[in-house]
Amino acid sequence: DGGITQSPKYLFRKEGQNVTLSCEQNLNHDAMYWYRQDPGQGLRLIYYSQIVNDFQKGDIAEGYSVSREKKESFPLTVTSAQKNPTAFYLCASRDTGTTGKLFFGSGTQLSVL
Amino acid sequence: QQQVKQSPQSLIVQKGGISIINCAYENTAFDYFPWYQQFPGKGPALLIAIRPDVSEKKEGRFTISFNKSAKQFSLHIMDSQPGDSATYFCAASRGSNYKLTFGKGTLLTVNP
Repeated sequence: DGGITQSPKYLFRKEGQNVTLSCEQNLNHDAMYWYRQDPGQGLRLIYYSQIVNDFQKGDIAEGYSVSREKKESFPLTVTSAQKNPTAFYLCASRDTGTTGKLFFGSGTQLSVL
Repeated sequence: QQQVKQSPQSLIVQKGGISIINCAYENTAFDYFPWYQQFPGKGPALLIAIRPDVSEKKEGRFTISFNKSAKQFSLHIMDSQPGDSATYFCAASRGSNYKLTFGKGTLLTVNP
C-alpha cells in the first residue's frame, strides 16, 4: 500500500528540547516537502527537497532543520530556537517526472508542554 | 504580504446547492493553480488543478474557473453533498519545483 507515513501522530515538546518528526514515503518520489499548518492560516512551506542530499529553505525555515540522506525519508527537526512550535506539521512528496500533484501524509500535531 | 487571498472563510450550503469559493493572487508569474480538500485530522488531497492557458476545467462535480486578467480563480462544487463538508484550500506556484503558496482555507459545511 503506497503512501506517505508520518510519525508520531501526536508529539509533545518540553522547553529547550529538540524534537524530530518522521516522514517516510514508498512512492519512489524525488521531491519532498514540509508544511506547517496553523488554525485559520493555511499551509506554509518550511523546507523542500528536489533530490537526495539536497534541500532548500522555504518561507518559514527559522528554527527548523532537515536532512535528506535517503530518497524515501525526509525528517524534520524542530529545534529549541523555534519559539512557537505548536502546530500541525504536514509532509508531502511529488513525482518530479509527472504533474505538480503533492501527496500529503496524515500529519503530526506538535504541542508544547 | 499574502500572495493568495481566499474567500469566504466559511460557507454553509444546502444539499444539492452550488458551493463557490474564490481566490485572488498577486504574482503574475504563478503558472499552476490547484485546489486541495482536507478532512479533519488528515492531510490535504488534490481535487483539481488548472494552468493559465485555459479558462475553465471540469472534473465531475468540480469546476475551476480562471480569469487571468483579473488574477482570480474559483472553485465551483455542483450538487453539493454532505460528504463534501471539508476545508478547501486554493494554492499557486511558479516553475518546476511546485513550491505551493496556499490560501488560508474555506470551511465548507453542506447541510442535509
